[in-house]
Amino acid sequence: DTAVSQTPKYLVTQMGNDKSIKCEQNLGHDTMYWYKQDSKKFLKIMFSYNNKELIINETVPNRFSPKSPDKAHLNLHINSLELGDSAVYFCASSREGGSGYTFGSGTRLTVV
Amino acid sequence: AQSVAQPEDQVNVAEGNPLTVKCTYSVSGNPYLFWYVQYPNRGLQFLLKYITGDNLVKGSYGFEAEFNKSQTSFHLKKPSALVSDSALYFCAVRDGGTGGFKTIFGAGTRLFVKA
Repeated sequence: DTAVSQTPKYLVTQMGNDKSIKCEQNLGHDTMYWYKQDSKKFLKIMFSYNNKELIINETVPNRFSPKSPDKAHLNLHINSLELGDSAVYFCASSREGGSGYTFGSGTRLTVV
Repeated sequence: AQSVAQPEDQVNVAEGNPLTVKCTYSVSGNPYLFWYVQYPNRGLQFLLKYITGDNLVKGSYGFEAEFNKSQTSFHLKKPSALVSDSALYFCAVRDGGTGGFKTIFGAGTRLFVKA
């Protein structure tokens, strides 16, 4: 199936831990994104990579570090997790220009 | 900087009636406008977009949206609502004039369609 796939779907972890979320797309898109959706469903862009190059780096704590080993993958590593990091994290991809995004199904991160 | 506003947290409509979900935007360049739908515990799904051309854009599931440059609006519409349309709808904007990749999403509008 052509899609944007994220793993894991659910992640429950303790404060202070380090965790990673992986994202892969097989759509041949050039650009990938990470968005954070909070408990009020507000979506905020975090990062974007275009052909493995970081092009958007919003005001995000430096505990969050994206990595794009190739244009089909964009991973998100989070150090020293805090309670406020609890949210749903969405990966998305798009072609260049005015195309819409294809979203993954999200990773629900709960920090306890 | 671009921004997008969805003035209604919730829209209620009876099945079979027309629906409108409102969106207004602000960009410095040409607006690229999008609508997405999110069902519970799912990712967002692309519905339709306006880049250029005809002001009335048709999309998935019978939805359409009208671009109004003078009112800086891009309202989502459907002539006859279905119960299955109940979901969270997001309007989004990208500044096409700057060639940037950043898409800003509105706060979302929850649509309830009552049988």
